[in-house]
Amino acid sequence: NAGVTQTPKFQVLKTGQSMTLQCAQDMNHEYMSWYRQDPGMGLRLIHYSVGAGITDQGEVPNGYNVSRSTTEDFPLRLLSAAPSQTSVYFCASKAGGAHTGELFFGEGSRLTVL
Amino acid sequence: RKEVEQDPGPFNVPEGATVAFNCTYSNSASQSFFWYRQDCRKEPKLLMSVYSSGNEDGRFTAQLNRASQYISLLIRDSKLSDSATYLCAVNSRSFGAGTTVTVRA
Repeated sequence: NAGVTQTPKFQVLKTGQSMTLQCAQDMNHEYMSWYRQDPGMGLRLIHYSVGAGITDQGEVPNGYNVSRSTTEDFPLRLLSAAPSQTSVYFCASKAGGAHTGELFFGEGSRLTVL
Repeated sequence: RKEVEQDPGPFNVPEGATVAFNCTYSNSASQSFFWYRQDCRKEPKLLMSVYSSGNEDGRFTAQLNRASQYISLLIRDSKLSDSATYLCAVNSRSFGAGTTVTVRA
């Protein structure tokens, strides 16, 4: 079972470059979300989506864009990378409503911005 | 004030010991509560949901105290394999920073 698949697993960028982190799930989950995890900060919600065509901002959305054209895919775009965006990024999905249900996480994408 | 706050630990305990830690949340209208386990450099995985009446899964017991707005996790008879970071989650959305537990032989 694939579950939630993130690519790439590792990426190094230079300041100002743009890139897209890909996330796909095969569980037919309506809800998908992106988190970043930094030491001592826990998981912070960047953006989330409750279904195809619907996205909303989380706690730390600045510098990131998302789109949800299909149920399966939820890419995260960094428009102009900054060193402050060095982090581990996790995509997650779940069934159920916005505030209930188990989150299934991808394996993470480790991003370094120089 | 952060929406979810946890005892950061680290808790360093011998095998067989009992360890317990809490997580407080600020929104009294919160609907769902969970404990996730995260191993080093891995993704979080659900350990257990937390129900109003409290619930137990083997050596793990989770409690919810709505009046004081906290959830707790207790691990009995700790095993080396319990060494991990435990994240509490509220509303399937907000996470604490994690509590690190290390079980030593």
